[in-house]
Amino acid sequence: GAVVSQHPSWVICKSGTSVKIECRSLDFQATTMFWYRQFPKQSLMLMATSNEGSKATYEQGVEKDKFLINHASLTLSTLTVTSAHPEDSSFYICSASGSSYEQYFGPGTRLTVT
Amino acid sequence: GQNIDQPTEMTATEGAIVQINCTYQTSGFNGLFWYQQHAGEAPTFLSYNVLDGLEEKGRFSSFLSRSKGYSYLLLKELQMKDSASYLCAVKRPGGYQKVTFGTGTKLQVIP
Repeated sequence: GAVVSQHPSWVICKSGTSVKIECRSLDFQATTMFWYRQFPKQSLMLMATSNEGSKATYEQGVEKDKFLINHASLTLSTLTVTSAHPEDSSFYICSASGSSYEQYFGPGTRLTVT
Repeated sequence: GQNIDQPTEMTATEGAIVQINCTYQTSGFNGLFWYQQHAGEAPTFLSYNVLDGLEEKGRFSSFLSRSKGYSYLLLKELQMKDSASYLCAVKRPGGYQKVTFGTGTKLQVIP
């Protein structure tokens, strides 16, 4: 099946700093990538949808200036959490979709802001 | 709006059968997914239903009734490794394959 990677798998940063998370589709071209956030014991919440070469579409309540998304190529999307705060600590998961209905999920990135 | 409900937790015995229900009330429907998610890991795809009826895939089956806004995931011959969260997700109309996830059901399989 299709493989999606995320880097880093976990990161600890200080409050006020920025963190960049990469999402790569390794063996297929992802026309669309999604970014989700998952708090402990909760389900996945879609943050934004990004298409290669265009601006991301953010879900209601998600600050686009805080969560910067770039989808520069058909195999790479990045999520930058700017001026991170402890409440941003969460499990961030990306998924990628090509020509089929299925989304392929990355392994996730656990962010801890101290 | 989007409202997708699942039981929070379930417990079942190894070797038994368990049914995990999902009810949805969404503004538009283009299909329903079931995913399995082990703690600290990303979800993995189990099934996708677009039409009413039962889809069987090995030990896992998924059922959909669009008129009732209802789906279930049936797991047979339960194994200890099936202990995980099971997420129901509705595909939204329109492009980009967007889905909305349900609350998730944490299944514990006991010996």
